[in-house]
Amino acid sequence: EVQLVESGGGLVQPGGSLSLSCAASGLSFNNYWMTWVRQAPGKGLEWVANINREGRVKHYIDSVKGRFTISRDNAKNSLYLQMNSLRAEDTGVYYCARGDMDVWGKGTTVTVSS
Amino acid sequence: SHELTQPPSVSVSPGQTARITCSGDALPKQYAYWYQQKPGQAPVLLIYEHTKRPSGIPERFSGSSSGTTVTLTISGVQAEDEADYYCQSADSSVTYRVFGGGTKLTVL
Repeated sequence: EVQLVESGGGLVQPGGSLSLSCAASGLSFNNYWMTWVRQAPGKGLEWVANINREGRVKHYIDSVKGRFTISRDNAKNSLYLQMNSLRAEDTGVYYCARGDMDVWGKGTTVTVSS
Repeated sequence: SHELTQPPSVSVSPGQTARITCSGDALPKQYAYWYQQKPGQAPVLLIYEHTKRPSGIPERFSGSSSGTTVTLTISGVQAEDEADYYCQSADSSVTYRVFGGGTKLTVL
């Protein structure tokens, strides 16, 4: 069974940093692009970033460019999202998803507040 | 920028057919995907590449495409289908992914 498990969420002050992880199992991790998607409280889904199989090609939504960094470690079957200079509008549930977003984790909650 | 437009809400009675549309200029060139999300849960993929259904998804869920509009059809709606539904696609350069704003399906 394919499983994606996010971790690393929490409460952080504006301007702070947080690092999210996504542990993958039950799939050939290095065969897939991987994606981060977020959802603000009571709002819709928002694509955040994705990364290619080798980790060399990365795309970001404009609102996080220069602040967030997506990366992966294929040896550890893990996906990461380093979030710096966090803002209140970054608050929400962060999901990792496989490829064209056919499999999702349960999400981890990020709260940016003073 | 690439945008996908969905109606905010759709209401149907049990047993009827629900149709949820999603419009976007890039849809003639890029595949659309549909997700169902129930409160407190992660999204679940219902339809991929406009019309294909993953294993385990009931046959009452189907997708279609015409020009700049794709449609999710739920035939014989059941109470358990009450949820938020999102379409998703790539921009024309396949750089960004975008979600529609979501449609809340209410089963009367």
